[in-house]
Amino acid sequence: DAMVIQNPRYQVTQFGKPVTLSCSQTLNHNVMYWYQQKSSQAPKLLFHYYDKDFNNEADTPDNFQSRRPNTSFCFLDIRSPGLGDAAMYLCATSRDRISTDTQYFGPGTRLTVL
Amino acid sequence: GQQLNQSPQSMFIQEGEDVSMNCTSSSIFNTWLWYKQDPGEGPVLLIALYKAGELTSNGRLTAQFGITRKDSFLNISASIPSDVGIYFCAALRGTGANNLFFGTGTRLTVIP
Repeated sequence: DAMVIQNPRYQVTQFGKPVTLSCSQTLNHNVMYWYQQKSSQAPKLLFHYYDKDFNNEADTPDNFQSRRPNTSFCFLDIRSPGLGDAAMYLCATSRDRISTDTQYFGPGTRLTVL
Repeated sequence: GQQLNQSPQSMFIQEGEDVSMNCTSSSIFNTWLWYKQDPGEGPVLLIALYKAGELTSNGRLTAQFGITRKDSFLNISASIPSDVGIYFCAALRGTGANNLFFGTGTRLTVIP
């Protein structure tokens, strides 16, 4: 089945130690998103790639970066994780960015910062 | 981004009962979506609605896109224990990636 895959599912890192989360998709969608979700709150958009174009949300901290080396893969890099960055990180994809293009989510990576 | 007004925040029901939850907004949307999120998992799309007034079913789930395009409801009939989770409404308007808005979620508990 076509799907959105995230690895690892659980990641533990130390305060200040860089970490990279991975997302891949078999849907061949143009757009890939990264969301942060805390404590049963709604997901919060960090940034997205429309094809190769990176689009950052205005309130996303500089500590968060992303790479999309090809259509299928997208990475979330946290350069210096703080305790407040502990959260579920969700990757999502959509075919395009118009208002009828549904977003499909991966299973998430739960990040713990010690 | 803007959040949709989703209610109720939580529900405790007996197995077999029907459930209803809804989302409202002061803004017009082009697409309404309902997701379910299990603990430790990502949101899974349950139903997508694309036209005002549209009523769509997916098994025991039924959802409607409000005629004013400002609201949507989700009904679950004959609830079972595996219905437990958090249900999020979401809605799309305009273009651009920040055009997806989420409700605050409804936490459903089903008592066997």
